[in-house]
Amino acid sequence: SQQGEEDPQALSIQEGENATMNCSYKTSINNLQWYRQNSGRGLVHLILIRSNEREKHSGRLRVTLDTSKKSSSLLITASRAADTASYFCATDLIAGGTSYGKLTFGQGTILTVHP
Amino acid sequence: DGGITQSPKYLFRKEGQNVTLSCEQNLNHDAMYWYRQDPGQGLRLIYYSQIVNDFQKGDIAEGYSVSREKKESFPLTVTSAQKNPTAFYLCASSPGQRTPQHFGDGTRLSIL
Repeated sequence: SQQGEEDPQALSIQEGENATMNCSYKTSINNLQWYRQNSGRGLVHLILIRSNEREKHSGRLRVTLDTSKKSSSLLITASRAADTASYFCATDLIAGGTSYGKLTFGQGTILTVHP
Repeated sequence: DGGITQSPKYLFRKEGQNVTLSCEQNLNHDAMYWYRQDPGQGLRLIYYSQIVNDFQKGDIAEGYSVSREKKESFPLTVTSAQKNPTAFYLCASSPGQRTPQHFGDGTRLSIL
């Protein structure tokens, strides 16, 4: 079963608006990563947040992590048509005190930004 | 430019046939991964390798095989035992554990 559950499954907004995507997970993590995928292409890494961090910024991206709620959010500010893509969260799980380094991906949020 | 190259971009398999997907990286990364992506779904891990001559099964390894004879290369064979092979296959690499992964542009496999 998927570790990450993303919400919403699809999001449609106008250019200039902010887009927020959420990710929930079930077990302890070492880190959580967000990736972007344009249609028919591979994934591109956006940002990594470690379990001892609460917030991280990169350009127009802001990621938060709440380990008590086992959830993360990705905020894209001032969105552009070029931000149209699928966005995935991926968790680096800890099992039995060991991080295996494998990523478990959520099902993704499809973001459409209308010009 | 450093990166990951997957080939071919499109591949067709006949019933009972094994096919091999190529993945080559020139990033000098130790770890490499194969994922399967079905329409509207996230990625599921097939196999991964943390070092040359060593690899481990992921969550959906049945019907697939891999080899890691060189650091740069991690080919995936989809065997005839994989009854539902139609999917988008993605290869990735990373410097090691707990680091971001770099992805190729995928191979789309279909059944004739």
